[in-house]
Amino acid sequence: EAGVAQSPRYKIIEKRQSVAFWCNPISGHATLYWYQQILGQGPKLLIQFQNNGVVDDSQLPKDRFSAERLKGVDSTLKIQPAKLEDSAVYLCASSQDRVGGYTFGSGTRLTVV
Amino acid sequence: AQKVTQAQTEISVVEKEDVTLDCVYETRDTTYYLFWYKQPPSGELVFLIRRNSFDEQNEISGRYSWNFQKSTSSFNFTITASQVVDSAVYFCALILTGNQFYFGTGTSLTVIP
Repeated sequence: EAGVAQSPRYKIIEKRQSVAFWCNPISGHATLYWYQQILGQGPKLLIQFQNNGVVDDSQLPKDRFSAERLKGVDSTLKIQPAKLEDSAVYLCASSQDRVGGYTFGSGTRLTVV
Repeated sequence: AQKVTQAQTEISVVEKEDVTLDCVYETRDTTYYLFWYKQPPSGELVFLIRRNSFDEQNEISGRYSWNFQKSTSSFNFTITASQVVDSAVYFCALILTGNQFYFGTGTSLTVIP
């Protein structure tokens, strides 16, 4: 089966610019997650969707980050405006059941300069 | 509060040596899952194992084995006869029934040829 697809693979932007990441989960996976992984740390959950509804966005910096999952399939994560501390790898994951084995995408490495 | 501790930040071993990566977790929940993920330099998170809190059987998969002990809240991972391809960062993670992941800070393993 195809894995979780993410694009772009790398992105370099200047601070205060905007950026968007895209994720296509595994077909049929109802749950989709966005994680932020800062260098040297473990991934941190930003937002969790169940179909197209938000289950948990308690750690999403809502003043600059937004995410949507239209039609319960693909998802986009946006940062506007970006700060230097947003430099990280943004990982998308999906799972079939609520406590299933996640499948992670390869991530988008964002560098804010 | 939920927490995962991987006290070993970096480990280096010579090829063919055995190596154990430690993981200690904290939770008051009685139902939870523990995971190990491998993150090679390419960045994706590769699922290795999932274990639920009611299953304390140790597991062996090829050169990999896992030792789950609820009495000490530990879920250690052993690689037997290590190989250069095992070089990666390994993450231990805890997930509760609410489905949020709590990752440790990772252990960077270097296998020297």
